[in-house]
Amino acid sequence: TQLLEQSPQFLSIQEGENLTVYCNSSSVFSSLQWYRQEPGEGPVLLVTVVTGGEVKKLKRLTFQFGDARKDSSLHITAAQPGDTGLYLCAGSGGGADGLTFGKGTHLIIQP
Amino acid sequence: DTGVSQDPRHKITKRGQNVTFRCDPISEHNRLYWYRQTLGQGPEFLTYFQNEAQLEKSRLLSDRFSAERPKGSFSTLEIQRTEQGDSAMYLCASSLISDFDSPLHFGNGTRLTVT
Repeated sequence: TQLLEQSPQFLSIQEGENLTVYCNSSSVFSSLQWYRQEPGEGPVLLVTVVTGGEVKKLKRLTFQFGDARKDSSLHITAAQPGDTGLYLCAGSGGGADGLTFGKGTHLIIQP
Repeated sequence: DTGVSQDPRHKITKRGQNVTFRCDPISEHNRLYWYRQTLGQGPEFLTYFQNEAQLEKSRLLSDRFSAERPKGSFSTLEIQRTEQGDSAMYLCASSLISDFDSPLHFGNGTRLTVT
């Protein structure tokens, strides 16, 4: 069973600060996806990383896939209240059992 | 593209009753997934279909759970003899077949409360 551990579990910071959240596993994934989920809604895809060492930027969000494809990080610059939500990483082993999700990081950005 | 829709959004039932949820995926998507999410947890995979064929079932999917996708379009998830431990958000997602890394498009879920 492939497990994804996300840290921290909860993070509350002030608007304008920078933050990094992590997604770690002992397993190798063919790709990792990051989703954001708001209360009462389904997760929405932010990005997919495929190549070890890959860095992708989405406005103020920077995603990195570890060289060994076992871990990933999400860095947010100058966080805004609209960034509040549950950030989930999900890995694919390339098999037929769907994505494996971490438990998520609950992020609160206070104005 | 109207997105993935799920019905109902909320369901409250008494223990022992049967419930059925419906999912309408994005029309051109041939993969359809069911996940379950409890409070404070990430989604847990239950089962998935490619067109009308159910190709994979998690061990989480007990005999009380059954899913169908009769014409390869919408899908239903039925839970028989519900238990309080079944209380959760049931999420449906769809994707376009290319490979198993395809992003999932989720609906807004059906929240089940078993009293």
